[in-house]
Amino acid sequence: DAKTTQPPSMDCAEGRAANLPCNHSTISGNEYVYWYRQIHSQGPQYIIHGLKNNETNEMASLIITEDRKSSTLILPHATLRDTAVYYCIVRVEAAGNKLTFGGGTRVLVKP
Amino acid sequence: NAGVMQNPRHLVRRRGQEARLRCSPMKGHSHVYWYRQLPEEGLKFMVYLQKENIIDESGMPKERFSAEFPKEGPSILRIQQVVRGDSAAYFCASSPLQGETGELFFGEGSRLTVL
Repeated sequence: DAKTTQPPSMDCAEGRAANLPCNHSTISGNEYVYWYRQIHSQGPQYIIHGLKNNETNEMASLIITEDRKSSTLILPHATLRDTAVYYCIVRVEAAGNKLTFGGGTRVLVKP
Repeated sequence: NAGVMQNPRHLVRRRGQEARLRCSPMKGHSHVYWYRQLPEEGLKFMVYLQKENIIDESGMPKERFSAEFPKEGPSILRIQQVVRGDSAAYFCASSPLQGETGELFFGEGSRLTVL
């Protein structure tokens, strides 16, 4: 699986959009971009994933550049409960394929 | 549909004892993954199992650690002769055989403290 690079930490104001960048310049054509988050001491939680088109669900939006070398996770209206470590992972979407977690971005939402 | 269930949530062992951590995957899921998270560190993959088979154990320490996923019952992560460095949160995840999203569903973890 390709490696990703994320900033170690970032702050965000409550109610504002949080834009979390991720670089994955060595991504392969069949690798998807996944985002998970881990709220303190809890199990990781799936957020969203995509291949090349932008994706949106009830939690977030995922914007993938045309060359697929980077992406941005957008939390449209951050709340205090969004404070967590956010992990960007690239992997082949296949049954049984494990996730390899990097350091992630520690996001602190401030009131 | 209940989520991934892990127990015990907290386990305290003295050095040299054995620790057994259990994981019941979501209904219909046949893939189980174990991850370890040391204090203030990231999640590290340990092992991936299907029913009665270990598929990938590339992250398992060579000694004292073993995992199984029997035909019936939960997956078990077993740590023999625990040492203080085994103190960590152990997370289990499961996925279906043919998942629409390739998503892994995680449990809330088992926290092992070795005295």
